[in-house]
Amino acid sequence: GAGVSQSPSNKVTEKGKDVELRCDPISGHTALYWYRQSLGQGLEFLIYFQGNSAPDKSGLPSDRFSAERTGGSVSTLTIQRTQQEDSAVYLCASSEIGLGAFFGQGTRLTVV
Amino acid sequence: RKEVEQDPGPFNVPEGATVAFNCTYSNSASQSFFWYRQDCRKEPKLLMSVYSSGNEDGRFTAQLNRASQYISLLIRDSKLSDSATYLCVVIYSGNTPLVFGKGTRLSVIA
Repeated sequence: GAGVSQSPSNKVTEKGKDVELRCDPISGHTALYWYRQSLGQGLEFLIYFQGNSAPDKSGLPSDRFSAERTGGSVSTLTIQRTQQEDSAVYLCASSEIGLGAFFGQGTRLTVV
Repeated sequence: RKEVEQDPGPFNVPEGATVAFNCTYSNSASQSFFWYRQDCRKEPKLLMSVYSSGNEDGRFTAQLNRASQYISLLIRDSKLSDSATYLCVVIYSGNTPLVFGKGTRLSVIA
């Protein structure tokens, strides 16, 4: 596709359930990033992929969070046993290495 | 994690004004620099890269001062549509992620 695509755009889940968020980067982009943003706050870095490997996963807030990237393309962010504090907009971005990144429209996650 | 710092604002300016934002970064070996714009409840969008020699795109001028470790964004002839949060972004090396500042909020007032 022409841009970064994220799905779903909105997700409401019950506390304790697992959720999977998907990111389809721009074709050919080697680098892929996940951030999250709570209302009125700055971007919080979660994890960074180069190809299929994650040289920096320091931002994952707990072991309930995991991410993978397959085929150097699609990435999935999984949150297990969701908590209310996980509610946020989860943003994915992709880029050529060392260049500015382009963001998807995000997944708005609400844990009730 | 290396820090990127910005004045959060808000900067409230009248239409037609010139406004400038600065952003400081902590790692002198930083390689790449960008300005992003984020509108309320939208994703950040790449506004412009920042080059060592400085660069201009219409009403927007970006500059890099490596000696003092800051980048700047100048907006001339502000428009109402310039109202947004402006995010400073640094890449420390080719193998590291983008590091975002927390943003500077601009409101252009009629």
